[in-house]
Amino acid sequence: KAGVTQTPRYLIKTRGQQVTLSCSPISGHRSVSWYQQTPGQGLQFLFEYFSETQRNKGNFPGRFSGRQFSNSRSEMNVSTLELGDSALYLCASSLAGTGYTDTQYFGPGTRLTVL
Amino acid sequence: QQQVKQSPQSLIVQKGGISIINCAYENTAFDYFPWYQQFPGKGPALLIAIRPDVSEKKEGRFTISFNKSAKQFSLHIMDSQPGDSATYFCAARRGWGRASGSRLTFGEGTQLTVNP
Repeated sequence: KAGVTQTPRYLIKTRGQQVTLSCSPISGHRSVSWYQQTPGQGLQFLFEYFSETQRNKGNFPGRFSGRQFSNSRSEMNVSTLELGDSALYLCASSLAGTGYTDTQYFGPGTRLTVL
Repeated sequence: QQQVKQSPQSLIVQKGGISIINCAYENTAFDYFPWYQQFPGKGPALLIAIRPDVSEKKEGRFTISFNKSAKQFSLHIMDSQPGDSATYFCAARRGWGRASGSRLTFGEGTQLTVNP
């Protein structure tokens, strides 16, 4: 079974631009979560989507948004990029709600650099 | 607010030694505690996880010890190998199922180096 895939793997943008990152979950997984990883703040939760609905949201400004499609694929968008948005953005998928030990499987991430 | 605190930030161990990483949490609503391992250029991968009604769980060379009253849990890597060199994250989740979601709160991470 293929793992979580994220595209693109690397991205360079300039301040003020916007960016869209894509995530394809493991086949059959209906939950997709996004995390931001930085050396200073570690792994921080952005939001989670299940059945095309956002059901959890972290403490990030409204510039960060996401969506999920009917095939469970997800995108996240960051508008008006700031230097501090430079990070590794990780997507994780899970079956969601099928068991106490429902495991989150992470993709390799998209490395975003904002210049 | 950091709800899961992890220490040490970095750890150097000789091959064959025991690596110990500690985490403490604040939110008593957390009820599932996984550990993730991350290699450079890769996403985190689940290593082992424990529920708060269990004091210890062992899988191969990896053991989680859990102290509910102290709100602490730790990862022990026995017979550490150079291939174990990676960053380790503890995490916690509150609730489960479709109502609660899958959100994980992570510790700051520990960079483990195992010297040959």
